[in-house]
Amino acid sequence: GIQVEQSPPDLILQEGANSTLRCNFSDSVNNLQWFHQNPWGQLINLFYIPSGTKQNGRLSATTVATERYSLLYISSSQTTDSGVYFCAVEQGYAGNMLTFGGGTRLMVKP
Amino acid sequence: NAGVTQTPKFRVLKTGQSMTLLCAQDMNHEYMYWYRQDPGMGLRLIHYSVGEGTTAKGEVPDGYNVSRLKKQNFLLGLESAAPSQTSVYFCAISGNTGELFFGEGSRLTVL
Repeated sequence: GIQVEQSPPDLILQEGANSTLRCNFSDSVNNLQWFHQNPWGQLINLFYIPSGTKQNGRLSATTVATERYSLLYISSSQTTDSGVYFCAVEQGYAGNMLTFGGGTRLMVKP
Repeated sequence: NAGVTQTPKFRVLKTGQSMTLLCAQDMNHEYMYWYRQDPGMGLRLIHYSVGEGTTAKGEVPDGYNVSRLKKQNFLLGLESAAPSQTSVYFCAISGNTGELFFGEGSRLTVL
């Protein structure tokens, strides 16, 4: 099956800093999503971004499907950004089944 | 997590006991999924359903059964719980766009 690798696995930032999270995938995809799991365990959908660039407030994401990677940018980080960020991809088979990467654990210190 | 409700939120079982997790949605989406999340393993798909009356196996289906008798409900059953099934279980739904929305999770401990 498709492999999804995220980097870095862990990241510690000072509040106000910017960061870039990366997601590499091993095969072509027709669906890519970014999720944030907060410290209480809730999983929130951040972006649906199979290609191109999207922005939502301080967060933005870019997917370059032809080169098989996606980037999540966090600007002016806040302590509430802490948690784990997951990238998930789907290849287009029936069922919209997503395969998840291992996640990037982010800690933002005040 | 509005729209996807999981019950129960917490459960402790003894080895060999059975239980059912219920996922209910109010968004009228066709697709429903059960994932498990373990430390260091990310999220892995157990079973999924593409519509009422249909189910299919995901990545880690062994030891679990599912049913989708009504469009809004997706049940995950453990017939004989094992310690290896200690995990956090997430239900998720998606519509035609493929965007995935999760429930709040159910923490299961098997002693």
